Amino acid sequence: QVQLVQSGAEVMKPGASVRMSCKASEYTFTGYYMQWVRQAPGQGLEWMGWINPKSGGTNYAHKFQGRVTMTRDTSISTAYMELSRLTSDDTAVYYCASTVVSDIYGYFDSWGQGTPVTVSS
Amino acid sequence: QLVLTQSPSASASLGASVNLTCTLTRQYSRNAIAWHQQQPEKGPRFLMRLNSDGSHNKGDGITDRFSGSSSGAERYLTISSLQSEDEADYYCQTWGNGNVAFGGGTKLTVL
Repeated sequence: QVQLVQSGAEVMKPGASVRMSCKASEYTFTGYYMQWVRQAPGQGLEWMGWINPKSGGTNYAHKFQGRVTMTRDTSISTAYMELSRLTSDDTAVYYCASTVVSDIYGYFDSWGQGTPVTVSS
Repeated sequence: QLVLTQSPSASASLGASVNLTCTLTRQYSRNAIAWHQQQPEKGPRFLMRLNSDGSHNKGDGITDRFSGSSSGAERYLTISSLQSEDEADYYCQTWGNGNVAFGGGTKLTVL
């Protein structure tokens, strides 16, 4: 499994955008898909999308299309997720997740520690 | 539609065994899934990948008390010799048509 280290907590105003990072270590970053998943307080896990670090190709969940952007910087093995036009409903912990054992886009066995995001006026 | 259905809650006694179920929609009845555990106030942890034939590959350090099995569109997680630290939320997850989906999760209470 791979170690994923995420950026720190954020407090944002409604309408703003948040950008967070996920740094991977000890594996070939470009070989495996990176997922982004969020969890609102008291709720379940919600998939947001993935990025293929090798090609930069992305697939976003329908719910977030037009509002989410996933990018990567292969030189520092880091993936980024930006979510725009924030509302209070975006208050959640955001996780990145990946693997080093499969090139299947939907398989992941390692999770980052999470980035809490609070949206409040 | 890529949907996984889980019972919202389950309970079992300390030392007993429990089976958690995840049901795939018919179109994806042959999909492999993954089981993830989330203990209170912690992030998720990968437990295992479970294939449609019941074969499974567990994550690093996952105890033998966790096992998986499959039947048709159903995927099962069995936890034996329940311990207090097994009290957690359990999510199944799969992929299809470029997308990823999670079940709603089962909250397991150890009595």
